[in-house]
Amino acid sequence: GAVVSQHPSRVICKSGTSVKIECRSLDFQATTMFWYRQFPKQSLMLMATSNEGSKATYEQGVEKDKFLINHASLTLSTLTVTSAHPEDSSFYICSASFAGARQETQYFGPGTRLLVL
Amino acid sequence: KQEVTQIPAALSVPEGENLVLNCSFTDSAIYNLQWFRQDPGKGLTSLLLIQSSQREQTSGRLNASLDKSSGRSTLYIAASQPGDSATYLCAVMNTGFQKLVFGTGTRLLVSP
Repeated sequence: GAVVSQHPSRVICKSGTSVKIECRSLDFQATTMFWYRQFPKQSLMLMATSNEGSKATYEQGVEKDKFLINHASLTLSTLTVTSAHPEDSSFYICSASFAGARQETQYFGPGTRLLVL
Repeated sequence: KQEVTQIPAALSVPEGENLVLNCSFTDSAIYNLQWFRQDPGKGLTSLLLIQSSQREQTSGRLNASLDKSSGRSTLYIAASQPGDSATYLCAVMNTGFQKLVFGTGTRLLVSP
């Protein structure tokens, strides 16, 4: 149980376009979802935390107008990279937790590789 | 601000060796510490979780210890196998927050 999926697994886009990444909890209702970014050979950096039905909370230095996060349902959160540029190329990973789980339990998706040309 | 560092950054060992990965953190007010495994281009697999009140956790060939006062944790892998090759990440969760702060990772290569 507690499976999180991401779609697409990899995407290539042209500079200036927008890209949407989906994160789904397949067998549980995710009250909180987290979005991370991982540059090559670096660690995961938390970008934002979103609670279902509420606005996302962004970490310092993350542009909320560039990285739009929507958590409209208990099983789906989306990250939209607007006007993507080559420096946005990275590995994006989401995780999800649910009410009733231990506080520390986050279930991670398989990640989405974004390449902006 | 919590900072997590892992040493070494990379490690290459022959199959069968026992090895130790190190993790240090700057703020000892942690709720727990976790060790994850990440295969290339993949998501994370949770290996071990140590609550702040615990000193160690074991799972199979893996043993993780925690010394909260000194801000250190170690992951011990016994009798390493080629299938253990991956990047190992430690992450801490500070008290009062649900956020995970990840370390820089150790890339492990176990050769046959």
